[in-house]
Amino acid sequence: DAGVIQSPRHEVTEMGQEVTLRCKPISGHNSLFWYRQTMMRGLELLIYFNNNVPIDDSGMPEDRFSAKMPNASFSTLKIQPSEPRDSAVYFCASRLQGGGNTEAFFGQGTRLTVV
Amino acid sequence: AQSVTQLDSQVPVFEEAPVELRCNYSSSVSVYLFWYVQYPNQGLQLLLKYLSGSTLVESINGFEAEFNKSQTSFHLRKPSVHISDTAEYFCAAYNQGGKLIFGQGTELSVKP
Repeated sequence: DAGVIQSPRHEVTEMGQEVTLRCKPISGHNSLFWYRQTMMRGLELLIYFNNNVPIDDSGMPEDRFSAKMPNASFSTLKIQPSEPRDSAVYFCASRLQGGGNTEAFFGQGTRLTVV
Repeated sequence: AQSVTQLDSQVPVFEEAPVELRCNYSSSVSVYLFWYVQYPNQGLQLLLKYLSGSTLVESINGFEAEFNKSQTSFHLRKPSVHISDTAEYFCAAYNQGGKLIFGQGTELSVKP
């Protein structure tokens, strides 16, 4: 398996523009997490899905952030409009919940720079 | 609070010295405990995990961690570090709601 695939790896955008980050989880995994990593705040969980359903989005910082999982093999994290303080590395992770398989596998991340 | 705490933000050590990276968890998280490692400009990789059974778990590259229920700790140790162990290390646990939460991270810097 190719692992969790995120795209793009790097994104530079201007303030006010819409940004969409994409994630393809490992085939067969039923839980998906979006994290944001910054020097100041470390790793923050933004939202996670079980069986394509958002379970907890309490970490989503503002209404400018939204996430979707239309099917088991794809998820997006959208920021509209983007602001410089959104600059961070965004990670997606997936896991197979239940049956003793509990570790989450991470993608390589998307480094977002908002100028 | 449901949390994982790493007590040291940075740990500098010399090559071949022993190291311990500390992690404590609150009693309200599950006892599925993990250590992840992040090398520069990369994603997180699982280093080792405790799910049940033996309280001492080991990784393939010489790290070990011991689950201590009475002290609510899961410290990571290595008896002799290499330059290549330089990375950031994260302790993690699932809370009761299924969220995977991480500690603040410990930056291990191994010097020659």
